[in-house]
Amino acid sequence: GQQLNQSPQSMFIQEGEDVSMNCTSSSIFNTWLWYKQDPGEGPVLLIALYKAGELTSNGRLTAQFGITRKDSFLNISASIPSDVGIYFCAGHMNRDDKIIFGKGTRLHILP
Amino acid sequence: NAGVTQTPKFQVLKTGQSMTLQCAQDMNHNSMYWYRQDPGMGLRLIYYSASEGTTDKGEVPNGYNVSRLNKREFSLRLESAAPSQTSVYFCASSEATSSGNTIYFGEGSWLTVV
Repeated sequence: GQQLNQSPQSMFIQEGEDVSMNCTSSSIFNTWLWYKQDPGEGPVLLIALYKAGELTSNGRLTAQFGITRKDSFLNISASIPSDVGIYFCAGHMNRDDKIIFGKGTRLHILP
Repeated sequence: NAGVTQTPKFQVLKTGQSMTLQCAQDMNHNSMYWYRQDPGMGLRLIYYSASEGTTDKGEVPNGYNVSRLNKREFSLRLESAAPSQTSVYFCASSEATSSGNTIYFGEGSWLTVV
């Protein structure tokens, strides 16, 4: 079946640093989604990508839909304490397919 | 706009007890989902409903049943709770558009089975 490999599993960075995480798929995807989950809350959609090569920004966040359609990355620039949380990638091949999720990247920010 | 609402937020059950998690969405979405989240395991799909009147098993359906009561509501039932079902449960809904499919989550239900 389809699988998503998300890396890294966790990150420890200094406040102000840039962050990069990525997801790769064993199959071609037509949609990539990036979510953030704060402690005690449900995942919240950050960025949705629908076209290969698409590069989309949301404030300090930038995500790209890989040209091969088998990968996506999320960058966070100039990290701040409220960026702490778990980031999930998700995607699907066809719009009627189930959406599958990566296992998440846990971001820690050191003071 | 409430989005996806699920209840209860917290629940403690004894082994063997039954309970139902309720979920409702006000976005007129066709598809609804139940996920469980465990440390290091990410989000695992339990059941989903592509439309009113249909339900399908996900990755980890054993020990659960679901009901798509109407377009708004999708409930998850544990008939005989087991400690292995201690988890955080998330309901979600989505709608396919010409661009793609985006999923929206509720705030979670923390279930402990003792």
